[in-house]
Amino acid sequence: GGIITQTPKFLIGQEGQKLTLKCQQNFNHDTMYWYRQDSGKGLRLIYYSITENDLQKGDLSEGYDASREKKSSFSLTVTSAQKNEMAVFLCASSPGLGGWGAETLYFGSGTRLTVL
Amino acid sequence: GDSVTQTEGLVTLTKGLPVMLNCTYQTTYSPFLFWYVQHLNEAPKLLLKSSTDNKRTEHQGFYATLHKSSSSFHLQKSSVQLSDSALYFCALSAYDTNAYKVIFGKGTHLHVLP
Repeated sequence: GGIITQTPKFLIGQEGQKLTLKCQQNFNHDTMYWYRQDSGKGLRLIYYSITENDLQKGDLSEGYDASREKKSSFSLTVTSAQKNEMAVFLCASSPGLGGWGAETLYFGSGTRLTVL
Repeated sequence: GDSVTQTEGLVTLTKGLPVMLNCTYQTTYSPFLFWYVQHLNEAPKLLLKSSTDNKRTEHQGFYATLHKSSSSFHLQKSSVQLSDSALYFCALSAYDTNAYKVIFGKGTHLHVLP
């Protein structure tokens, strides 16, 4: 088995601040994802990466940057935190190169963001 | 574009009763459908998945059948338990340029009463 570790678990920022969230996986999976979870809005895809140094935009990429410098890690940057923003950011990984479609996603426990 | 619709935000029912959580989807490609479950303060986990038309898929007492004719993948259980209280997401694997991405519905909270 493997595990996905997200750091930090809780992140408090100030309006306009640049904030970075980190994700590590030891499954040796090729594909990694960042989702944002808001109450009543489900999981919305921000960025995903099918291999090291690859980046693909999701539907919610505006206001975010991502980086996949190693196969095992995928970071997400909030470029300018919005006042009163509260959300959970979930990192996930799946085995393949995204070319098959039926792969299971394995999720981390999330980073809870609060912007004051 | 590709999308997933879950019509119920909250379903409340008493232990022992049957439940059906609705999921419909839209895609131009051959669909792969999933149900994920998220218990309170935990990460979402796969419950079941399917890409085969009209074949029932089961896991942990839950079951679903992909119906391509109606673009549906409803989740059912014949007798819910208190431990089934959780947030349930329907998801679609959709082809995007050169890879598959997974799109989630808004989720349905299932609240089981004693």
